[in-house]
Amino acid sequence: EAGVTQSPTHLIKTRGQQATLRCSPISGHTSVYWYQQALGLGLQFLLWYDEGEERNRGNFPPRFSGRQFPNYSSELNVNALELEDSALYLCASSYLDRAPYEQYFGPGTRLTVT
Amino acid sequence: QKEVEQNSGPLSVPEGAIASLNCTYSDQGSQSFFWYRQYSGKSPELIMFIYSNGDKEDGRFTAQLNKASQYVSLLIRDSQPSDSATYLCAAKYGNKLVFGAGTILRVKS
Repeated sequence: EAGVTQSPTHLIKTRGQQATLRCSPISGHTSVYWYQQALGLGLQFLLWYDEGEERNRGNFPPRFSGRQFPNYSSELNVNALELEDSALYLCASSYLDRAPYEQYFGPGTRLTVT
Repeated sequence: QKEVEQNSGPLSVPEGAIASLNCTYSDQGSQSFFWYRQYSGKSPELIMFIYSNGDKEDGRFTAQLNKASQYVSLLIRDSQPSDSATYLCAAKYGNKLVFGAGTILRVKS
């Protein structure tokens, strides 16, 4: 069974630009989660999507947004990039209806803002 | 504020010893807890989950949960150099995972 996949692996952008990150969940998983892991700050919850709807978001500004497609893949968009957005962005997926709803992570996208 | 606390380490143990990693959580609302291993530059890998008080064993790993003390631990028996990584403890609140900052484990051969 294929795991969670993410693209691109690395992304280099300039301050003020927009970045788009993509994620495909494990087959059968309907929930997709996005996390940010900045150096020295640990994993921070960004967004949760399920069945095409945003279900919850973390303490991040509105320029962090995303969507989930009918095939359950997801996209994270970061607008008006700032230097402090440089981080590893991790996508995870899980079932919504099977306890304990453990989340499995993709390999991540390393975003560098210069 | 839901928080998960871990000692950042590094925790150094000799090869073959038992490594003990600890985690406390602030909100009793969480019922499920997860341990992830993260190698440098890689994404977190799920090791174990636990949601009942007591011990849960899987190979060389044992997770322990004490809800009264709001305490979760991970024991790694017969530690190997390949176990050297950062270990992340996470508590589940609704469908969101709240992670601790992680404990760096170093197993010396």
